[in-house]
This record gives sequence, C-alpha cells and structure tokens, in this order.
Amino acid sequence: DTGVSQDPRHKITKRGQNVTFRCDPISEHNRLYWYRQTLGQGPEFLTYFQNEAQLEKSRLLSDRFSAERPKGSFSTLEIQRTEQGDSAMYLCASSPLWTGSGNTIYFGEGSWLTVV
Amino acid sequence: DAKTTQPPSMDCAEGRAANLPCNHSTISGNEYVYWYRQIHSQGPQYIIHGLKNNETNEMASLIITEDRKSSTLILPHATLRDTAVYYCIVRFDKIIFGKGTRLHILP
Repeated sequence: DTGVSQDPRHKITKRGQNVTFRCDPISEHNRLYWYRQTLGQGPEFLTYFQNEAQLEKSRLLSDRFSAERPKGSFSTLEIQRTEQGDSAMYLCASSPLWTGSGNTIYFGEGSWLTVV
Repeated sequence: DAKTTQPPSMDCAEGRAANLPCNHSTISGNEYVYWYRQIHSQGPQYIIHGLKNNETNEMASLIITEDRKSSTLILPHATLRDTAVYYCIVRFDKIIFGKGTRLHILP
C-alpha cells in the first residue's frame, strides 16, 4: 500500500453513461497525476495538478474527460458519455512538489473501467 | 515520448541476479533515472532512482554509466514474485512510460 487511494476499484457502466473516479493522494503531496492504461500497454499520461491548479493536459484527454482537484487534496476524473474505447485502468499518482532532489511519484492500485 | 530503450523481454533463473539494461542516450543533466515495475493488474511500484551515482536499496541496485547514457537495474536474487514488467524512466517532472521489459523468472 503506497498511501494513494482510488475509488471505485472496479466500475462497469453502459455506453453513454457518465462515470467518476476519485483519488486520495498521500497527505501533503502537492502534485497529483492521472494516467490511463489499456491491456498490454504501458500507462499513458493524462494530466497533472500542482495543488489545485491543473498544469498540463495530454491530447489524450478529450472533451469528454474532465479532472478536478478543488481544494488541492483529493481529485476526481469524470468521463462523460462513455465509449467502449474508454475501457481501461485509470491510475492516480502523487508526489511532493518538485524540489530538484529526485522526489518519488507513488501510484495507486488503479480503477478499472469496463464500458459495455 | 519515452526517452528510454529497453529490451522487450528477458528471462532469469530463480535465485540468480537479474540485470535489466536501459539506454537513455539523450538524458539531460538534471534528469533522474527511475525504475518502476508493474505486476499484472496492479499499479506501478517504485523501485529505485538515481542521478549520477550508483544506488542500492532493499529491493535493487542501480548502476549508471559515467556518461549517464545507460543504466542497469540489478535484482540480486530473483524470485518468482519478481515476474513483472520493468520500466526505466528518465524524468525531470512527470513520468512518461515506455514499453518496458517483461521479466520472466524461471523456476
């Protein structure tokens, strides 16, 4: 257990429905990251926050995806109008603010999404 | 894009040292080398990282060449539980994963 919690761990939804995933990072970690991983592939970067500010979004994050971190603590990733291609594991990670000393990013166990 | 090159797969006999190579010829002076592994269906697990010097912890050793263009992760006594995909990452900020090396530990 790395201390990064994700909920729910598994979600099955019908195509067209909206889903939301929550991530609770390690306490006092300023940075929070979201990744997506499909079967047989490495994790793909989606977006990251520094406190409540969303600093970068990948082109993979289409208009149907939105991520928030309203108080700089937990974060949510919402997918609207889900498609079968959204089926994947969604990973959250957190780290202290970059200090130049090689801080470590810790990952949660992921949230599995199946769109049927 | 990932800035590292790793062999797609490797085998290692149980009990022997597993040596996983990684090329990162375009590494910048302020970028660290990180290693993570991912066991099936789990989140990536941090193993070790380094900048210039060799590093060792309870899980592994990291050997970085003097020119920093390549590195080797060493698992000193591989067990079946070390079967996983191992990712070598060059990082200054966020992590960009490549394809990794699938390590098979043979009984």
